[in-house]
Amino acid sequence: SQKIEQNSEALNIQEGKTATLTCNYTNYSPAYLQWYRQDPGRGPVFLLLIRENEKEKRKERLKVTFDTTLKQSLFHITASQPADSATYLCALVGGSYIPTFGRGTSLIVHP
Amino acid sequence: DAGVIQSPRHEVTEMGQEVTLRCKPISGHDYLFWYRQTMMRGLELLIYFNNNVPIDDSGMPEDRFSAKMPNASFSTLKIQPSEPRDSAVYFCASSARVLGDMGSPLHFGNGTRLTVT
Repeated sequence: SQKIEQNSEALNIQEGKTATLTCNYTNYSPAYLQWYRQDPGRGPVFLLLIRENEKEKRKERLKVTFDTTLKQSLFHITASQPADSATYLCALVGGSYIPTFGRGTSLIVHP
Repeated sequence: DAGVIQSPRHEVTEMGQEVTLRCKPISGHDYLFWYRQTMMRGLELLIYFNNNVPIDDSGMPEDRFSAKMPNASFSTLKIQPSEPRDSAVYFCASSARVLGDMGSPLHFGNGTRLTVT
């Protein structure tokens, strides 16, 4: 069965460092991969999209990579700030074009 | 744009009661989604509509759940009768794919936290 895995343990890092979050998947051939941010008590907010034929995408301090051979996406936040603390969700978009979400990884940036 | 609007934000009800959750999507968006989020299962798709027509309701857990979209600016998700295991946060999201970009992101509301006692 299709499976999307994100680290369930919170990632704790120091302000100014680069945060790297991982999204692994099995039994899936996504055409797109999306990353969302979710704050407590709020709905997810879209951050970045990367297509299957793209290796890397950047937006300001954010960088996403997509390796269809490894079946993995990495999400990087450079020069992290306490305001970056949130839960980050990856979502795979396959043939049905409907996003299927991972359970998310909590990021805590300490000042 | 006000974004996707959901009501109520919180709902506490007793087992066996009917619950109706409401959603107003972003104007011009042609897709509407209902998701449910729990700690155990994460975000699960319940049903989605395209141009007000239900396309896939295979995620609806039981016949106790029903969803409607009578027009482009309004959708409801109803649970009747409600059970404690329905307790979760229910999100509505909309998306614009009028240009055929099937990777278009979802825009979520802030959810309805449902507690069934």
